[in-house]
Amino acid sequence: NAGVMQNPRHLVRRRGQEARLRCSPMKGHSHVYWYRQLPEEGLKFMVYLQKENIIDESGMPKERFSAEFPKEGPSILRIQQVVRGDSAAYFCASSPRLAGVTGELFFGEGSRLTVL
Amino acid sequence: QQQVKQSPQSLIVQKGGISIINCAYENTAFDYFPWYQQFPGKGPALLIAIRPDVSEKKEGRFTISFNKSAKQFSLHIMDSQPGDSATYFCAATEGRGSEKLVFGKGTKLTVNP
Repeated sequence: NAGVMQNPRHLVRRRGQEARLRCSPMKGHSHVYWYRQLPEEGLKFMVYLQKENIIDESGMPKERFSAEFPKEGPSILRIQQVVRGDSAAYFCASSPRLAGVTGELFFGEGSRLTVL
Repeated sequence: QQQVKQSPQSLIVQKGGISIINCAYENTAFDYFPWYQQFPGKGPALLIAIRPDVSEKKEGRFTISFNKSAKQFSLHIMDSQPGDSATYFCAATEGRGSEKLVFGKGTKLTVNP
């Protein structure tokens, strides 16, 4: 059973460009989460999705950031008009059950975004 | 506002020693406390977790101690090994009704041979 797959692993963008990060959850997992990790910081919750639904986006910046988890295909985290402060590691996680109950998330290896 | 405070930021231990990482929280609605281990270039992985109705949980060389009244919990790694060198994150969740895990800032553990 393959783990959570994220791509690209590394992405370099210039200020003003768009970044698209993709995440395929583990087979059988219907709950998808995105977290952001800044240097020397812990992981910060961004958004929780189920198929075709955004359940909780309270951690998403109000502008430029969006996420989706379509019926078919991977979950996408999209950052428009990137700025240097968006440089971070973005981790996707999935769970077969509500993570709020089990506390267990299965993380991918992350996508490291660098904004020049 | 840091909801889960973790210390120390870094820790160096000799092989065979005990590594201790501490976390404290304020939100009394937290009811599940997992610890994650992260190796460089990898994603975090669940190590061990505890609920507040239990004061201690042990899995192999890893033990969580939980003090509900003090709102503190800690991870002890007995007989620390160089392979334990990683960053450790404590976390907390409010359980049903919230899908967020709130993470501490992490402790970078180095175990010298």
